[in-house]
Amino acid sequence: IQLTQSPSSLSASIGDTVTISCRASQGISDYLNWFQEKPGTVPNLLIYGASHLKEGAPSRFSGSGSGTEFTLTISGLQPEDIATYYCQQYDHPSITFGQGTRLDIK
Amino acid sequence: QVHLVQSGSQLKKPGASVKISCQASGYTFTHYAMNWVRQAPGQGLQWMGLINTKNGNPTYAQDFTGRFVFSLDPAVNTAYLEIINLKSEDAGIYYCARDFHAPWGQGSRVSVSS
Repeated sequence: IQLTQSPSSLSASIGDTVTISCRASQGISDYLNWFQEKPGTVPNLLIYGASHLKEGAPSRFSGSGSGTEFTLTISGLQPEDIATYYCQQYDHPSITFGQGTRLDIK
Repeated sequence: QVHLVQSGSQLKKPGASVKISCQASGYTFTHYAMNWVRQAPGQGLQWMGLINTKNGNPTYAQDFTGRFVFSLDPAVNTAYLEIINLKSEDAGIYYCARDFHAPWGQGSRVSVSS
């Protein structure tokens, strides 16, 4: 199963609403996670099961979608959100990551 | 709490082998499989596969068959990744991760140079 993220990179202003898309090559129900990787740090889970916010993650992050189309939304971009975001499908037995979306501040 | 501690950075020559360890604490080791993820320099994340910690059965992703070996030592709650016959394209950071909900290991950097 391949995951295609769009865009590959984007710049946005503080306070903007940002959306990142992830498309699966076949249906994966809601077996999709979103990770945030800040520069020089270990990737961190933000959203699991397509739409469930991990405990402790900021509420400005949300996820939606099922089947083949998924979206990560950041409502009110903050400076600390500069990172690369990856979607990941876990429709076993295989796991794959999207190629990543690099987000920076305008 | 769940904690995965990996071995340190290693510099190896092409053709050599490297073995990375991932020691787990804070949970029952055999209750969760252990995943391995590679990040080549400046690149994204690649799932390499996982090892069943109950029976030691490995599952390798398509791009990681042949020279990559997952193993365990349950007595010390440790999973291992060995890369045989290293190539320059094997350079990168290797992470272990339990079920991706828990924190990952801190990463082990492998450099390959003659």
